[in-house]
Formats: sequence, C-alpha cells, structure tokens
Amino acid sequence: GAGVSQSPSNKVTEKGKDVELRCDPISGHTALYWYRQSLGQGLEFLIYFQGNSAPDKSGLPSDRFSAERTGGSVSTLTIQRTQQEDSAVYLCASSFRDRDHTIYFGEGSWLTVV
Amino acid sequence: AQSVTQLGSHVSVSEGALVLLRCNYSSSVPPYLFWYVQYPNQGLQLLLKYTSAATLVKGINGFEAEFKKSETSFHLTKPSAHMSDAAEYFCAVSEGDSSYKLIFGSGTRLLVRP
Repeated sequence: GAGVSQSPSNKVTEKGKDVELRCDPISGHTALYWYRQSLGQGLEFLIYFQGNSAPDKSGLPSDRFSAERTGGSVSTLTIQRTQQEDSAVYLCASSFRDRDHTIYFGEGSWLTVV
Repeated sequence: AQSVTQLGSHVSVSEGALVLLRCNYSSSVPPYLFWYVQYPNQGLQLLLKYTSAATLVKGINGFEAEFKKSETSFHLTKPSAHMSDAAEYFCAVSEGDSSYKLIFGSGTRLLVRP
C-alpha cells in the first residue's frame, strides 16, 4: 500500500482480555517499529524489527507485551491480560535501512481498556 | 543517552505571525534530527530532517529548522503562521547509523489565533 496501515483503528477491550494489533508496513521497508503514545508518557519506543528479527525489544513495558513479524512484512503486537494503564495509541512505523533514515508512521490503533 | 527537550508544551501565535518551536537535544554522537507534526486523531507526518548535510533544513508546508551544534538546538520556524498549522509538533533524535530508533520530545501544541 501507499502508507503504513494499522488495524484495528479503535479497540475497546475489557481488563484482563488479550488484544492483537496489526501493522502492514510500506512495501519494501525492511525496518519496522512500534511506538506507544499516551497522555502521561508521550511517545515511547517499544520494539524494532529488522526483517523478521527483533534486535531491540528494550521498550516493551512488561512480559505481557510481545510482537512478531512474519515474511519480513506484517507485524502483530500482542498485549496479554490487558490493564487500564495499557490504554494508549499504538503507532507502527517503517523505513528502509539506508542512509535516507526516514521513518514513516501509520495512523495508530487506539486501545481503550475498561 | 539521547534525549530531547521541547520548551513550551503550548505555543500560541496569531495568524500571519512567526512560528518558533524550540528543541534541544543531547547525543553522544552526531545526531540525526527530525520534526514530525500530528494533526488531531492522525498519525505522525514528517516535516523535515537533518542528517549531517546542510545545517538549514527546509521541510514541507513552509517550515524550516536550523541545526546549531554549539547550542545543541534544532528549532523549528515558519515565517507566517496559517490556521491549518494548528497541530502538535514533535522533535526527535536518533544516532544515525549507530542507532535506528527515534527518541521523541514531549511535544508542543501550536495554537493559531485568527
């Protein structure tokens, strides 16, 4: 597609349930990133993929959070046993791994845990 | 460690007035610097980036920013504000080839008065 595509755009879930958020990066982009945007914490880096591997998972806030990427393309961010503090906008981004160094963001998945 | 400081969580200007949004960074290596804009309920859009070429960088929508190493600053300016510039602006830093991820400032909300 023309841009980074994320789904769902909005998700309301009950505390304790698991959620999956999907990201479809720009075609040909080898690098993929997940960020979280919340009122109290601003924009936080979560995880970075180069191809299907994740050399940096340092931003994942707890072991309830995990992500995978398959075929060097689509990525899924999974949050298990959601808590109210997980409510945020989850932004996916992608880029070429070259000197252009431009990271393009999707419109985000708005997650509300009630 | 890298960090970004944006002075002023809110900036208000009159339509037609100069826009100045401040950003200071810290980095142990020559940085790559970015400004992103976020319109309500949308993702992040790249305005401009500095990647060690010209220190004065021109971006979209009439914005520009100047990299000043001596001041560790990368302030964003626009000579004449338009109502459509009202949005939140984020400054971000990465360490270029040695690090791929963006570290964001806390953002500045620009209000444009008619």
